[in-house]
Amino acid sequence: AQSVTQLGSHVSVSEGALVLLRCNYSSSVPPYLFWYVQYPNQGLQLLLKYTSAATLVKGINGFEAEFKKSETSFHLTKPSAHMSDAAEYFCAVSEGGSQGNLIFGKGTKLSVKP
Amino acid sequence: GAVVSQHPSRVICKSGTSVKIECRSLDFQATTMFWYRQFPKKSLMLMATSNEGSKATYEQGVEKDKFLINHASLTLSTLTVTSAHPEDSSFYICSASRARRASDYGYTFGSGTRLTVV
Repeated sequence: AQSVTQLGSHVSVSEGALVLLRCNYSSSVPPYLFWYVQYPNQGLQLLLKYTSAATLVKGINGFEAEFKKSETSFHLTKPSAHMSDAAEYFCAVSEGGSQGNLIFGKGTKLSVKP
Repeated sequence: GAVVSQHPSRVICKSGTSVKIECRSLDFQATTMFWYRQFPKKSLMLMATSNEGSKATYEQGVEKDKFLINHASLTLSTLTVTSAHPEDSSFYICSASRARRASDYGYTFGSGTRLTVV
């Protein structure tokens, strides 16, 4: 069975600082991996996805993530945090196949201090 | 492209009544739609997978008679919470899978529905 672990339910950074949100996965098949962002009272928005192409994936809003098979990780980073980045971030893995269901992590709430 | 409209965004209903939530893919055909429920401080939980023209597949522990799902067309799936109770209060989100190649794999999520049962 596939699973996703997000380390840290709450991460706080200062504006302009590096953002690092951790995600580890387990999967018996090559995974598809996703990062989603959720702003208060809104649905999820796709930040980026890994689908077995380049291991370094660039997404929207300056975010990127690197797939590391040896570490079974897919950490999300952004060089410089903005106040508008404050939100909840979810890592997800596909169960498999192009129509596979998504398995979500528990989410990490990012706070950005001025 | 690839927009999913979910309606209503918020609904308050009385205990014992039923509430219908709609999920529409506006510019693509969605052969499969997923319904999720988000619990406070927890992740999304898949409730059911809705396939056009066939019965929905429910996850273990989800009451299919309580959460009725209908996927009557390639652009519309509905979730009806029947005889709602306060414990059904939650944020419900749908997502639609586009019928594309694996390299274009992805989901589009609706904006969610905040259900409050009083």
